Amino acid sequence: AQKVTQAQTEISVVEKEDVTLDCVYETRDTTYYLFWYKQPPSGELVFLIRRNSFDEQNEISGRYSWNFQKSTSSFNFTITASQVVDSAVYFCALKLTGRRGGSNYKLTFGKGTLLTVNP
Amino acid sequence: GAGVSQTPSNKVTEKGKYVELRCDPISGHTALYWYRQSLGQGPEFLIYFQGTGAADDSGLPNDRFFAVRPEGSVSTLKIQRTERGDSAVYLCASSQRPHTGELFFGEGSRLTVL
Repeated sequence: AQKVTQAQTEISVVEKEDVTLDCVYETRDTTYYLFWYKQPPSGELVFLIRRNSFDEQNEISGRYSWNFQKSTSSFNFTITASQVVDSAVYFCALKLTGRRGGSNYKLTFGKGTLLTVNP
Repeated sequence: GAGVSQTPSNKVTEKGKYVELRCDPISGHTALYWYRQSLGQGPEFLIYFQGTGAADDSGLPNDRFFAVRPEGSVSTLKIQRTERGDSAVYLCASSQRPHTGELFFGEGSRLTVL
């Protein structure tokens, strides 16, 4: 079975600080996707990024960057120059891609990290 | 807006009662998911629909939980003989490309069982 671990329950930073959210995953499958979702106070999760298990290139999108390291089964998320609007719960998730049937379509989420950015 | 709509947003019920939670997905999205999120936890998969059929219901905790999507659009999650442990936020998500894992979530229905 798959497992996603987000060891940081809560992180509090001051605006403009950089912050990294950790994610470690477990799976015996060799093909999978990794994700980050953001859950603001309104409640709906918002998709941020998807990485394929075959692609370990790091990715940058504006102030966001992601570091995928298969050797350590980690997919960490860094926010540079954090802003108050970044305050939310962030979830890391995993989805298998190599299986047939409905089980190929569900995401397994970590417990989330509550990020608070103070002005 | 044209996002995923869930009703009610809040539901308080007594132990033993029957509850229905409704999800209206984004128009044209063939895939629909139900997840359950308990306090301080991540979303936990319940069931996945592709069209009208449940392609994977392995996450339903027991036979008190049932979900339908009769016309391939709106879905209803039904909980019989509610228990206090059923209290959680029930999230619905839809997707046009479920193989990508990119889901669009609603704001959830918060269920409280007294």
